[in-house]
Amino acid sequence: GENVEQHPSTLSVQEGDSAVIKCTYSDSASNYFPWYKQELGKRPQLIIDIRSNVGEKKDQRIAVTLNKTAKHFSLHITETQPEDSAVYFCAANSPGDFGNEKLTFGTGTRLTIIP
Amino acid sequence: DVKVTQSSRYLVKRTGEKVFLECVQDMDHENMFWYRQDPGLGLRLIYFSYDVKMKEKGDIPEGYSVSREKKERFSLILESASTNQTSMYLCAASLAEGTEAFFGQGTRLTVV
Repeated sequence: GENVEQHPSTLSVQEGDSAVIKCTYSDSASNYFPWYKQELGKRPQLIIDIRSNVGEKKDQRIAVTLNKTAKHFSLHITETQPEDSAVYFCAANSPGDFGNEKLTFGTGTRLTIIP
Repeated sequence: DVKVTQSSRYLVKRTGEKVFLECVQDMDHENMFWYRQDPGLGLRLIYFSYDVKMKEKGDIPEGYSVSREKKERFSLILESASTNQTSMYLCAASLAEGTEAFFGQGTRLTVV
């Protein structure tokens, strides 16, 4: 089955600097890679996703890159702000033959922005 | 926005009890998932369902079962609760393959 590894587990950056979180996956059939942000006491929410036919996607200060050959994808946050402090999860899907898609998450990165 | 609602925010049960965690979604989504969240272990998939009465085991199904009798409702069942099942349980729903999963608010279950 799919195995998603995420690094680092904790990350502290100065406000205004960039943060990078990296994930690897094992299932070569994976074609959808979302990133979720979970603020303290709240539910995870999608912040950006990328599909296997694209190498990079940007949304304002957030970008995701995908290297299918190496089976890794990364989240980049530029010009970090205090409200970026949260736990971030990467995920990868395992498509099924009957629409029975499995979504596997990484272990999470606790990002702290230092004012 | 899609609304995914879990029946309880907090639950305390005794060892050996049968426990039902309910999840309801309001957007006719095909896929539903149950995860447990533990510090340092991320979100681990327990079971998922891609249609009514269709279910598949996730990565940690032992000690759990599920039921999906109606499209909008996906129930997680702990047949005989144990202390190592104390955790935060999250339900999610997605429209189809390769689409955003929407999460419920979570149920923090404590088994004593």
